[in-house]
Amino acid sequence: DAGVIQSPRHEVTEMGQEVTLRCKPISGHDYLFWYRQTMMRGLELLIYFNNNVPIDDSGMPEDRFSAKMPNASFSTLKIQPSEPRDSAVYFCASSLSRVAGELFFGEGSRLTVL
Amino acid sequence: AQSVTQLGSHVSVSEGALVLLRCNYSSSVPPYLFWYVQYPNQGLQLLLKYTSAATLVKGINGFEAEFKKSETSFHLTKPSAHMSDAAEYFCAVSDDGGTSYGKLTFGQGTILTVHP
Repeated sequence: DAGVIQSPRHEVTEMGQEVTLRCKPISGHDYLFWYRQTMMRGLELLIYFNNNVPIDDSGMPEDRFSAKMPNASFSTLKIQPSEPRDSAVYFCASSLSRVAGELFFGEGSRLTVL
Repeated sequence: AQSVTQLGSHVSVSEGALVLLRCNYSSSVPPYLFWYVQYPNQGLQLLLKYTSAATLVKGINGFEAEFKKSETSFHLTKPSAHMSDAAEYFCAVSDDGGTSYGKLTFGQGTILTVHP
């Protein structure tokens, strides 16, 4: 089975532009997580979904960030407008509810905002 | 709220030497504890997990960790380091009995370097 697939792998954009990151979870997984990784703050949970429903978005830094999961096989994380401090690696992960804490991570999307 | 502290942001060992990566946790309820590994330019992958069963947990690639409640620790060990073990290692905690299944709090990570 394919793992978690994220796109794009790398994104370079200018401040003020809209950025959309995409994730396809592992088929059959009912939880999906978006994490952000930076040198300064480490790994931060931004938001997670269960059965396509957002459960906890308390980690979303501000209103410029939004995430959706229109169906079980696709999720997006959008930043509008982007700022240089949003530069980070964004990871998507999925898991099965009956296997506590065993997350499967994608390879990440490295975002650079100039 | 739960938290994890990894002692030492960088650990360097010789090939064949013992690997010891330290992790202490804080949790108001019995925790679930995890170790993840991240190789360069890749996502994290699960090494092992403790979920209130045996206190000594064995994982992939010869790693193991021991849950010590009295010390609030979950240190990761491997008897003999291999060059391929060079990576960043993250300790993580879930303090809600696993009911959120993945709402993990990660430590800051420890970069393991293995010298020939």
